Amino acid sequence: GAVVSQHPSWVICKSGTSVKIECRSLDFQATTMFWYRQFPKQSLMLMATSNEGSKATYEQGVEKDKFLINHASLTLSTLTVTSAHPEDSSFYICSGRGRALNEKLFFGSGTQLSVL
Amino acid sequence: SQQGEEDPQALSIQEGENATMNCSYKTSINNLQWYRQNSGRGLVHLILIRSNEREKHSGRLRVTLDTSKKSSSLLITASRAADTASYFCATDAGGYNKLIFGAGTRLAVHP
Repeated sequence: GAVVSQHPSWVICKSGTSVKIECRSLDFQATTMFWYRQFPKQSLMLMATSNEGSKATYEQGVEKDKFLINHASLTLSTLTVTSAHPEDSSFYICSGRGRALNEKLFFGSGTQLSVL
Repeated sequence: SQQGEEDPQALSIQEGENATMNCSYKTSINNLQWYRQNSGRGLVHLILIRSNEREKHSGRLRVTLDTSKKSSSLLITASRAADTASYFCATDAGGYNKLIFGAGTRLAVHP
């Protein structure tokens, strides 16, 4: 099946720094990339949807200036958490979908962010 | 916002038993999908059922969909310890370009 590579797997940073998370679709073109956030033992909360070459669409309550999403190519999307604070500590997961709508998503392995 | 609710929130069974998880959703859908997540990892797609389908099988998995009740169930037969994971349903929220996940069921299968 299709593979989405997500890096880093975990990151620890100081409060106030920025962290970039990368997701690459290795064997398909991800026309749409979804970014989710997950707290322990909870479900995935959709943060934003990005289509290649377009600005991301953010869900209500998600600060677009804090969570910068770039989807410049069909195989790479990045999420940058700017000026991270302890409350941003969470598990972030990306997923990609190919050209056909309503198809299954292929997920990255997730990034555990801990902000000290 | 969450589209789906799942029950039970947690399920603990013995190897060899069947596990049934239920999912309810609020808006009309084109399809419903089930995913599995091992602790601290990404999600793996299990099965997709379209709104015009009522039942679908894949190996030990059986999924049903009742659009009149806006509900779906996932049955895992002859469970194994390796089935221990969280299971999520997800819907396309009425055709919008996004997938919304339910709260999930944490399944523990004991040897």
